[in-house]
Amino acid sequence: GAGVSQSPSNKVTEKGKDVELRCDPISGHTALYWYRQSLGQGLEFLIYFQGNSAPDKSGLPSDRFSAERTGGSVSTLTIQRTQQEDSAVYLCASSYLPYRGRNTGELFFGEGSRLTVL
Amino acid sequence: TQLLEQSPQFLSIQEGENLTVYCNSSSVFSSLQWYRQEPGEGPVLLVTVVTGGEVKKLKRLTFQFGDARKDSSLHITAAQPGDTGLYLCAGALGAGSYQLTFGKGTKLSVIP
Repeated sequence: GAGVSQSPSNKVTEKGKDVELRCDPISGHTALYWYRQSLGQGLEFLIYFQGNSAPDKSGLPSDRFSAERTGGSVSTLTIQRTQQEDSAVYLCASSYLPYRGRNTGELFFGEGSRLTVL
Repeated sequence: TQLLEQSPQFLSIQEGENLTVYCNSSSVFSSLQWYRQEPGEGPVLLVTVVTGGEVKKLKRLTFQFGDARKDSSLHITAAQPGDTGLYLCAGALGAGSYQLTFGKGTKLSVIP
């Protein structure tokens, strides 16, 4: 498809289980972002990948969260030992250019993966 | 502390009315973007403003970036039901920043 693809669209898991969320960005986009959107909240930055550079992991809320991007394309966000507070919509976005201040780069978002931790 | 404060949080209006939503901060942003998000979908970019005092128009939508680049507003003229959605502002703090900071959004409902 032409847009950012995320899977699964919905995931219900039990507390303590590990989950993997996948993002397939738009072909040719070098920048990839993960955001988290909780009910009533804005988008919370989690992690950023740009080309072969080291990712910016400064937004990851704990060491239970990790992400990787293989071959500069597909990315996987892994949450270990899930907690109820991890319940949220996890949004992935890609961009042709990294968004840097006055650079008018546009982020293209996927539809998100809704995670529910029981 | 929320870096970008959006107001109002909720807005319900009749079709044909005008409205303004606000995005405020005590920080200076290099640029600011507005996105619209519909239920079950990701946000979609509406506009980017980069110059203090800049005004951009997109059909019935008018976006303004404050002179000090700390605030922005979105004005919708003659709102239509298709304008319903969550409006998010997002800003980049520095010229070298690639992190977009998002506000919590304004949830707009336009009643036919």
